[in-house]
Amino acid sequence: TQLLEQSPQFLSIQEGENLTVYCNSSSVFSSLQWYRQEPGEGPVLLVTVVTGGEVKKLKRLTFQFGDARKDSSLHITAAQPGDTGLYLCAGAKNFNTDKLIFGTGTRLQVFP
Amino acid sequence: GAGVSQSPRYKVAKRGQDVALRCDPISGHVSLFWYQQALGQGPEFLTYFQNEAQLDKSGLPSDRFFAERPEGSVSTLKIQRTQQEDSAVYLCASSLGGRAGGEGQPQHFGDGTRLSIL
Repeated sequence: TQLLEQSPQFLSIQEGENLTVYCNSSSVFSSLQWYRQEPGEGPVLLVTVVTGGEVKKLKRLTFQFGDARKDSSLHITAAQPGDTGLYLCAGAKNFNTDKLIFGTGTRLQVFP
Repeated sequence: GAGVSQSPRYKVAKRGQDVALRCDPISGHVSLFWYQQALGQGPEFLTYFQNEAQLDKSGLPSDRFFAERPEGSVSTLKIQRTQQEDSAVYLCASSLGGRAGGEGQPQHFGDGTRLSIL
């Protein structure tokens, strides 16, 4: 059962466009992580957010954790073909076990 | 290498056969996790070890699934009497465990084993 819903499920855009991916839940999480996964590989961690309202920037990527720690967003500015991949949000209920509950995923394709 | 290593990368089995999937975590990592990822979906939690102790197996879909980590390092996920719905990518992840600056330790994932049941 996926407790984290991501939208959109698929996104195809041209190089240079901006985009936002949303990750929503009715549950509160201690922390939320964003991963990118490429075909045939495991997910690679991009960022972890832990504080409600927190905003983190990683080059052209901006991550925000909702005030109530139930939702998050990932914004990419001036997308590039190298950004293509499956983006996954994942929430942790507590720090002790760090068991992750993954979202449904957003598959991004950026065309040159 | 220094990362999480999984073997085999691909496994094809006939329905009803038993399979064993291996995970070599990063040296010194206390926590080890198994996830199942269906095609086009996000990974789903199967089970969690802290050293050799299996602390959470709530995600194992049936009693045909069994995992062990006898010496607190290498782990094996075994599936008995495989069914077609077991076809998926099985991901292993490890972490140092505990907390780090309030964020918890990041999980490092292997590239998975793609299991196909015919």
